[in-house]
Amino acid sequence: AQSVTQLGSHVSVSEGALVLLRCNYSSSVPPYLFWYVQYPNQGLQLLLKYTTGATLVKGINGFEAEFKKSETSFHLTKPSAHMSDAAEYFCAVSEGRGAGNQFYFGTGTSLTVIP
Amino acid sequence: DAGVIQSPRHEVTEMGQEVTLRCKPISGHNSLFWYRQTMMRGLELLIYFNNNVPIDDSGMPEDRFSAKMPNASFSTLKIQPSEPRDSAVYFCASSLRPPYEQYFGPGTRLTVT
Repeated sequence: AQSVTQLGSHVSVSEGALVLLRCNYSSSVPPYLFWYVQYPNQGLQLLLKYTTGATLVKGINGFEAEFKKSETSFHLTKPSAHMSDAAEYFCAVSEGRGAGNQFYFGTGTSLTVIP
Repeated sequence: DAGVIQSPRHEVTEMGQEVTLRCKPISGHNSLFWYRQTMMRGLELLIYFNNNVPIDDSGMPEDRFSAKMPNASFSTLKIQPSEPRDSAVYFCASSLRPPYEQYFGPGTRLTVT
């Protein structure tokens, strides 16, 4: 079974500083990995995804994440935080194609951007 | 594409009443998911359908909750009778096929008084 751990339920950064949100997963099969963002009073929106191929993936709004198999991690980064990045971020893992459509979400990290 | 459509966006009801939440998935998507989100419990998967068939309903909290998907373009989540602890935001999401990304609707905010 899959599990997803997001270290730090709350992260604060200054505007213009590096954003680093951590995600570790457990999986017995090659995972598909995702980051979602949720703005207040909205649904979850896909930021980026890793399926196969290049391990560094770029998403919307300047975010990127790197799949590190040896570390079972998929951390989300952005070089320079904007006020508009304040939101809840969820990491998610999906099992392989043959195991059915099961998504496992982390518990989320709330990002605060300090002006 | 209009994305996943949910209705109503807000629902306020009294304890004991029946509540029906509706979802229209993205056209062509084969899988549909119902989630519940609260501050205390976070995001919980209630049930998911694949090709209109319920695959896993282990997240449905109790018999008061039921979900149906009569066709590929419509699903309902029903709570009967509703209780104050059912107050939450309920999301519907759809996906093309396993194991691809899910697309979420805007949610229904349910308040049971």
